[in-house]
Amino acid sequence: DAGVIQSPRHEVTEMGQEVTLRCKPISGHNSLFWYRQTMMRGLELLIYFNNNVPIDDSGMPEDRFSAKMPNASFSTLKIQPSEPRDSAVYFCASTAGGPNEKLFFGSGTQLSVL
Amino acid sequence: GENVEQHPSTLSVQEGDSAVIKCTYSDSASNYFPWYKQELGKRPQLIIDIRSNVGEKKDQRIAVTLNKTAKHFSLHITETQPEDSAVYFCAGASGGSYIPTFGRGTSLIVHP
Repeated sequence: DAGVIQSPRHEVTEMGQEVTLRCKPISGHNSLFWYRQTMMRGLELLIYFNNNVPIDDSGMPEDRFSAKMPNASFSTLKIQPSEPRDSAVYFCASTAGGPNEKLFFGSGTQLSVL
Repeated sequence: GENVEQHPSTLSVQEGDSAVIKCTYSDSASNYFPWYKQELGKRPQLIIDIRSNVGEKKDQRIAVTLNKTAKHFSLHITETQPEDSAVYFCAGASGGSYIPTFGRGTSLIVHP
């Protein structure tokens, strides 16, 4: 298995533009997480899906952020409109059997909003 | 929800010394405590975890101890090597949904 796959690896955009980050979890994993990592705030959970259903989105900063999981093999995190303070590394992670298990992280997307 | 505090934020040791990183958690219902290692520019990867039914777990040079009464757990690395240099994150699982909440991380620097 190739592991959790995220794209793009790097994204540079201008303030106000729409940004879409993509994630393919490990086949067979039924839980998917989006985390944001910054120096100031560390690793913050944005949203957690179980069996494609959003279970906890309390970490989503504001309405500019949205996430979807249309099927078991694909998820997106969208920011519209983007702002400079959204600059961070965004990680997707998946687990088999629920959140109380080992997280497998993707390589992350380094987002820079100018 | 769960609140995880991690100390120290930076730890500098000489090669061969031991390193200890400590975390406290707030939710007494938490029962899973993983530790992740993140090398510079890489993804976090699990190095060891412990569940609340045991007090200690060891894997070669790393060990984790758990004190449920005091609600704290620690990572111990013995005979440190330069390749142990990385950021280490602890996590606790929030009650109910058991979603992992991470500490702020400890930057470990091992000097040759």
